[in-house]
Amino acid sequence: GAVVSQHPSRVICKSGTSVKIECRSLDFQATTMFWYRQFPKQSLMLMATSNEGSKATYEQGVEKDKFLINHASLTLSTLTVTSAHPEDSSFYICSAKQGNSPLHFGNGTRLTVT
Amino acid sequence: DAKTTQPPSMDCAEGRAANLPCNHSTISGNEYVYWYRQIHSQGPQYIIHGLKNNETNEMASLIITEDRKSSTLILPHATLRDTAVYYCIVRVATTGTASKLTFGTGTRLQVTL
Repeated sequence: GAVVSQHPSRVICKSGTSVKIECRSLDFQATTMFWYRQFPKQSLMLMATSNEGSKATYEQGVEKDKFLINHASLTLSTLTVTSAHPEDSSFYICSAKQGNSPLHFGNGTRLTVT
Repeated sequence: DAKTTQPPSMDCAEGRAANLPCNHSTISGNEYVYWYRQIHSQGPQYIIHGLKNNETNEMASLIITEDRKSSTLILPHATLRDTAVYYCIVRVATTGTASKLTFGTGTRLQVTL
């Protein structure tokens, strides 16, 4: 089945620095990938839709200048958290689908900003 | 997408069947029922989906009522590794940017010895 890989699985960074998270579709091409965020004891919240070769679409309330998304190829989307602050500490999860198959998710990246 | 209602939590003894209900009374004719689960600190895992017929795969069975207003996910022999939050999501099957999923609060299933 479709496999979505995320890297890194966890990262700790200092406040004010930027962090890049990679999402790869390992055995299929994905023109669209989705980025979610999950705070402790809460459900997943969609942040943005990543489109290969074009600008990402952000959900209401998500700052596009803070969460930079680059979908430069059919198998890779990156999420960069710029000038991270402690309140950006969260579990970030990407997902992608192959054709009509169900959406598959990566294993997430736990970001801790100190 | 149609809204779903799930109990916040359930317990199940290991080895027994876990039956997780989901209400989706406003489901439209072209909307599928999807089930995902999220084990602690992992990404959601696809389990099964269906439109109106009952479905079974190696992980679970999905029973959808005739009026399609509710469904039940059945884990036939629950193990401790099935402890997770289970999400029932209703949406049309589509591709591209419209295929995003909206997650509710799900059911936290605790499998005990």
